[in-house]
Amino acid sequence: ELKVEQNPLFLSMQEGKNYTIYCNYSTTSDRLYWYRQDPGKSLESLFVLLSNGAVKQEGRLMASLDTKARLSTLHITAAVHDLSATYFCAVDIEVDGLTFGKGTHLIIQP
Amino acid sequence: DGGITQSPKYLFRKEGQNVTLSCEQNLNHDAMYWYRQDPGQGLRLIYYSQIVNDFQKGDIAEGYSVSREKKESFPLTVTSAQKNPTAFYLCASSWGAGQPQHFGDGTRLSIL
Repeated sequence: ELKVEQNPLFLSMQEGKNYTIYCNYSTTSDRLYWYRQDPGKSLESLFVLLSNGAVKQEGRLMASLDTKARLSTLHITAAVHDLSATYFCAVDIEVDGLTFGKGTHLIIQP
Repeated sequence: DGGITQSPKYLFRKEGQNVTLSCEQNLNHDAMYWYRQDPGQGLRLIYYSQIVNDFQKGDIAEGYSVSREKKESFPLTVTSAQKNPTAFYLCASSWGAGQPQHFGDGTRLSIL
């Protein structure tokens, strides 16, 4: 059974600081996704990582994938309040649907 | 604009009642999925369908049923056998395995 673990589950940080969210998974896969969810809203796709060593960046967010370590990271650079949200990583294997982590609830304070 | 439409946005169920959540997509995606989200939790897969007239159970299919008679539609029925149906239900679609999933806006189901 595939297990996906995120940490931390809750993060409060100040604007301008850097931080990293970690996503570990238990079964071999080279497909990992990051999503953002605002309160009461649906999920917005942030990054699709499809190979070992993949790195993608969008604004202040950068995601990477190490399939050998079964680890993905989401790095936040110089955080701003607008990045406050819950961030999920999700992994898929074969033709099944996604297995999600529990999410990281991120609050960025001025 | 292409997208995924879920309806209704809010739904209330009485004891012993079956309710059906609608999910329609005009992205021409082959695969469709239903997830359940409980407060403070990640999403859990209920059912998925890779092609029309075929679907598979996910991790928490008990108490739910689906159909896939048309490519663009994948309705989810929450039956009376589902004893704890209160949750946020999200429908998604994609071109298939390995392709990013696009999500609808969700249906929030509560018990009366």
